[in-house]
Amino acid sequence: SQTIHQWPATLVQPVGSPLSLECTVEGTSNPNLYWYRQAAGRGLQLLFYSVGIGQISSEVPQNLSASRPQDRQFILSSKKLLLSDSGFYLCAWSPGGVGYAFFGQGTRLTVV
Amino acid sequence: AQSVTQPDIHITVSEGASLELRCNYSYGATPYLFWYVQSPGQGLQLLLKYFSGDTLVQGIKGFEAEFKRSQSSFNLRKPSVHWSDAAEYFCAVGADSNYQLIWGAGTKLIIKP
Repeated sequence: SQTIHQWPATLVQPVGSPLSLECTVEGTSNPNLYWYRQAAGRGLQLLFYSVGIGQISSEVPQNLSASRPQDRQFILSSKKLLLSDSGFYLCAWSPGGVGYAFFGQGTRLTVV
Repeated sequence: AQSVTQPDIHITVSEGASLELRCNYSYGATPYLFWYVQSPGQGLQLLLKYFSGDTLVQGIKGFEAEFKRSQSSFNLRKPSVHWSDAAEYFCAVGADSNYQLIWGAGTKLIIKP
């Protein structure tokens, strides 16, 4: 069966520090991969999606970037965190095209 | 513009009572419809989905939803809620022509003992 792993679960980082969140999927190949951000009390905002290795689409201009160095690995990065980057970050995958997505457990990022 | 509206930010229901969470959408194409549940501090879990066919869809944990095209709605229902159903519920809409889901803002379900 397919599983998705996302880490770390929580992270506290100072303003101006770098960020790297990692997500891996097991049990499937060529998944579509997504990074979402969820601000407190709000819905989900799609940040990036990827349909293949090295293919990244950005939905929101921001201080973040994403990379997909391997088929089942998706990384969210920042060179310098801002206070506004605080939030709950969720990685997800889907079998292909749009459709139901399967989510990781999320990373609670607090920028201080 | 494409959008999903969940008009209730919070809903409080007594344990054992029935539940209906509302979802309305505005979408140009034939929609694929989804309901997800999120427990505090956790990721989202798919409850059910509608692609085509029977407009009454059964999901996990005893939930069901009904697609009503004329009302552009996809309301989630459960005949008898349990305390463990307390969570936030998200409705989402998609299509087969793109890779994005359009999300509602969520409804937080509170269960009274």
